[in-house]
Amino acid sequence: DVKVTQSSRYLVKRTGEKVFLECVQDMDHENMFWYRQDPGLGLRLIYFSYDVKMKEKGDIPEGYSVSREKKERFSLILESASTNQTSMYLCASSLSGFQETQYFGPGTRLLVL
Amino acid sequence: DAKTTQPTSMDCAEGRAANLPCNHSTISGNEYVYWYRQIHSQGPQYIIHGLKNNETNEMASLIITEDRKSSTLILPHATLRDTAVYYCIVRVIDFNKFYFGSGTKLNVKP
Repeated sequence: DVKVTQSSRYLVKRTGEKVFLECVQDMDHENMFWYRQDPGLGLRLIYFSYDVKMKEKGDIPEGYSVSREKKERFSLILESASTNQTSMYLCASSLSGFQETQYFGPGTRLLVL
Repeated sequence: DAKTTQPTSMDCAEGRAANLPCNHSTISGNEYVYWYRQIHSQGPQYIIHGLKNNETNEMASLIITEDRKSSTLILPHATLRDTAVYYCIVRVIDFNKFYFGSGTKLNVKP
């Protein structure tokens, strides 16, 4: 079974704090993704990575950065958290190539006060 | 950007088959149909996907019409744990993007 884990299920941070969300997958997948999910807006892609040290912007990268130093680990960084970044954050991974199935982690529900 | 249309909600009796429809009338020849579900406060769970032929796995069956403009996900014996939001997704050319849309809330009742 594919296993994608995320460092926290729930997180509460204050405005202006730097926030790290970590994602680890154990299936040697090439591609990893960060999404946020908000009511009425579905899933929106923040960043993705198709290889170690490679990253690509998704649809809403502003206010976020990512890091992929190892193949199995993909980190999402909120440089200075703001209240509009309160959301459910979902990490996913997939094998290389097009049309590959994405497998999701359990999600991190972040509240920024 | 969602390319699929699904009913907002459906009810199903426990033990009966749940048939979830999806319309994707603008699907392109090289686009797959994917189904995921999301149980409350959890990450989406992959169920099944297909291109043209019907598919079956341990979780569900996927029936795609011959013209590929619609499909049906079938859970053969629904249980209470199948209560979730079910998303029908058409993979667009940008392989990295999933447009989840609003999905169908399936309520399995005892």
